[in-house]
Amino acid sequence: QVNLLQSGAALVKPGASVKLSCKASGYTFTDYYIHWVKQSHGKSLEWIGYINPNSGYTNYNEKFKSKATLTVDKSTNTAYMELSRLTSEDSATYYCTRSWLRGWGQGVMVTVSS
Amino acid sequence: DVVLTQTPPTLSATIGQSVSISCRSSQSLLHSNGNTYLHWLLQRPGQSPQLLIYLVSRLESGVPNRFSGSGSGTDFTLKISGVEAEDLGVYYCVQGTHAYTFGAGTKLELK
Repeated sequence: QVNLLQSGAALVKPGASVKLSCKASGYTFTDYYIHWVKQSHGKSLEWIGYINPNSGYTNYNEKFKSKATLTVDKSTNTAYMELSRLTSEDSATYYCTRSWLRGWGQGVMVTVSS
Repeated sequence: DVVLTQTPPTLSATIGQSVSISCRSSQSLLHSNGNTYLHWLLQRPGQSPQLLIYLVSRLESGVPNRFSGSGSGTDFTLKISGVEAEDLGVYYCVQGTHAYTFGAGTKLELK
């Protein structure tokens, strides 16, 4: 079955960057897009963008264009999201999910604090 | 940006009761290819969201048939025919016709 395993929680300082990972298994990695979604504490969900693992093509929510960078490593079936110039507004849980929002990672909590 | 308005924000139900959640879009979600990319998710407490319904009314594999979706254009409804304890959590509608946006969620709790 579809399994998306995300990296562990991160505590990062303001102004720094963090790179989150999402390792896929149980299906052909290059056949489905990987989406990233943000959930601030106790709030709803925000779509950050998606990447086509086969071509590397990306599509971002305008709000996150200068914040997030999506990449993949096809050799390890892993998708990455790097978040830059972190502020307290970036503290949240981040999920990866497959095309059609079918199959979600367990989420990773990012805390931005000095 | 497309705004999805979910009502009610909170729903109290007894086990066995049937309930409905509304999701209204600020724009038509009918895509030029004929599909309407409106889906429903459930996020149980402490868990990741999971897909329940896709393309308005198609039941995701493994999801009980007490869940059903309907609607078109800008108005959509999720119905649960006979709430069970495992159904408690937050329900989100999400559209994928114009990029992706999520509704604010409807929390289903026990009365």
